[in-house]
Amino acid sequence: DSGVTQTPKHLITATGQRVTLRCSPRSGDLSVYWYQQSLDQGLQFLIQYYNGEERAKGNILERFSAQQFPDLHSELNLSSLELGDSALYFCASSPTHTVRIDTQYFGPGTRLTVL
Amino acid sequence: AQKVTQAQTEISVVEKEDVTLDCVYETRDTTYYLFWYKQPPSGELVFLIRRNSFDEQNEISGRYSWNFQKSTSSFNFTITASQVVDSAVYFCALSEAGGYQKVTFGTGTKLQVIP
Repeated sequence: DSGVTQTPKHLITATGQRVTLRCSPRSGDLSVYWYQQSLDQGLQFLIQYYNGEERAKGNILERFSAQQFPDLHSELNLSSLELGDSALYFCASSPTHTVRIDTQYFGPGTRLTVL
Repeated sequence: AQKVTQAQTEISVVEKEDVTLDCVYETRDTTYYLFWYKQPPSGELVFLIRRNSFDEQNEISGRYSWNFQKSTSSFNFTITASQVVDSAVYFCALSEAGGYQKVTFGTGTKLQVIP
């Protein structure tokens, strides 16, 4: 158990809908990362937050947004969902924001299915 | 542009055999980081190792070892005396020094260890 929790575990929704994925980092970790794993695109980094502020942005679509709250949990919002958004969404956390020294701890993922 | 190639899509070995997973990368950066992640059948991602571009020392952790060679742009991963629990998909990844926003993942190598 990494200490990172993600809810829900599975989510099935329809095209055009909006969903929110939630992540609670390990106790004491200030950085939260979101990744998408799909059959088409493989593993992709989406976005990173550090202590409430956006730190880095990867291949995140404009229809997607995220935030990190004062209690450090994070939410990834996906809107106007398309079939291609079906994927496994991982959250990870790390103590700081420094790739040089940080170890990332991953949650179990949320499997999103868009029908 | 960064690129990570894991040419081995699937590998099967018999338990107790040694196995090497290949990773070849391309980058124009002089400072970068290389990673290996494990994704067992249960689906979660596990961070295994990070190596920076200035540290070419090989690393050993139990039955795992990593061989980083800048001359051939390779960062290979060897499992000695493989066990069934090693069965997983293994991803190699590359990130520029600035952070995870430029992380590029390989397509993964699925390792099956047969008892």
